[in-house]
Amino acid sequence: DQQVKQNSPSLSVQEGRISILNCDYTNSMFDYFLWYKKYPAEGPTFLISISSIKDKNEDGRFTVFLNKSAKHLSLHIVPSQPGDSAVYFCAASARSNTGKLIFGQGTTLQVKP
Amino acid sequence: NAGVTQTPKFQVLKTGQSMTLQCAQDMNHEYMSWYRQDPGMGLRLIHYSVGAGITDQGEVPNGYNVSRSTTEDFPLRLLSAAPSQTSVYFCASSYSSGSNQPQHFGDGTRLSIL
Repeated sequence: DQQVKQNSPSLSVQEGRISILNCDYTNSMFDYFLWYKKYPAEGPTFLISISSIKDKNEDGRFTVFLNKSAKHLSLHIVPSQPGDSAVYFCAASARSNTGKLIFGQGTTLQVKP
Repeated sequence: NAGVTQTPKFQVLKTGQSMTLQCAQDMNHEYMSWYRQDPGMGLRLIHYSVGAGITDQGEVPNGYNVSRSTTEDFPLRLLSAAPSQTSVYFCASSYSSGSNQPQHFGDGTRLSIL
């Protein structure tokens, strides 16, 4: 029972263009969503988050959109840079569940120069 | 700042052996957790702790034990290693157990069970 799903295992974009990474969830109790970035041989690092009471959160080149009715969120990276090449994990948590993180499978982003 | 430190970085075990994966954080975080990462499955929660002396099970706790005697340390014990426990293990910590608290991860321990 995969509560958080990232259906695209990989994505390739050209430098300077927009990268859009998608994530779907099934549990309506989730009230906080986070994106993590992971380079090889390193641990995940926190990138950006959004509360369920918002539909958009922006931090520099990174914007996360939340569509609660569709149980869908997306991460937009504009403009994409070669250094953004990494694995991106979507994660969700619920206040009622001691804040435990449920992760998606990850999407590998490759930004080509 | 060291953040979250995991040791060892690599380990090879034989089936049936036991070992302890170490995790330490220097940020005075109350919440600590252990995840395993397997191909195509993201990160799955093994055990977590909301403070010293308090631990609880995550999604995949079987075959693992934890303890939290201090705020700083949260070791993960494999009691009798099995090939299915071959994985990359990540320790994480956050200021509290609130759902809006981003977790800080260590760089992982790569474990192979033969």
